[in-house]
Amino acid sequence: EAGVTQSPRYAVLQEGQAVSFWCDPISGHDTLYWYQQPRDQGPQLLVYFRDEAVIDNSQLPSDRFSAVRPKGTNSTLKIQSAKQGDTATYLCASSSRTGGDAETLYFGSGTRLTVL
Amino acid sequence: GDSVTQTEGQVTVSESKSLIINCTYSATSIGYPNLFWYVRYPGEGLQLLLKVITAGQKGSSRGFEATYNKEATSFHLQKASVQESDSAVYYCAFGTGGYKVVFGSGTRLLVSP
Repeated sequence: EAGVTQSPRYAVLQEGQAVSFWCDPISGHDTLYWYQQPRDQGPQLLVYFRDEAVIDNSQLPSDRFSAVRPKGTNSTLKIQSAKQGDTATYLCASSSRTGGDAETLYFGSGTRLTVL
Repeated sequence: GDSVTQTEGQVTVSESKSLIINCTYSATSIGYPNLFWYVRYPGEGLQLLLKVITAGQKGSSRGFEATYNKEATSFHLQKASVQESDSAVYYCAFGTGGYKVVFGSGTRLLVSP
């Protein structure tokens, strides 16, 4: 079974540029999460979806960040105008409500973003 | 809001010695949360180490044990005898009951030979 796939692995931008991150969850997983992990900190939840619906995006900086999961499978996280403070690793995770294990997350390898 | 605190940012332990890592959590409204320990080995992605579901239950995996004190809202990761291959970053996390999972800041374990 394929795991969670993320691309690209790395991104380097100048401030003000836009960037998109892509995530393909484990097949059949209905819940998808995006986390931001600054260096030497823990993962911080940005947004999560159940199928195509946003469940909680309260931690997403809405003026510059957006996330979609239009068909309830793949997802894209976009930063419109990157700032140096956005430098972090962006992690995608998925889970399944089947079997009552909805909060056990499976992570992708992440996208390491550097904003110069 | 919901949060998790890991007090030890880095721990150095000699090989074959014991280890304990502590976490406390603050939850707005849950009875029995799902508690987790995740690990990131060098060069690898974040992966589940073990899950503790209820108070008094000890989860275990790869020689690690996790325990949970509901009254103290704390949970702990222990290993009786660490090996160099255990060197990694360990994260505690809890599920808030609404499929939202909150992570601690991580504890870097260095095992010296």
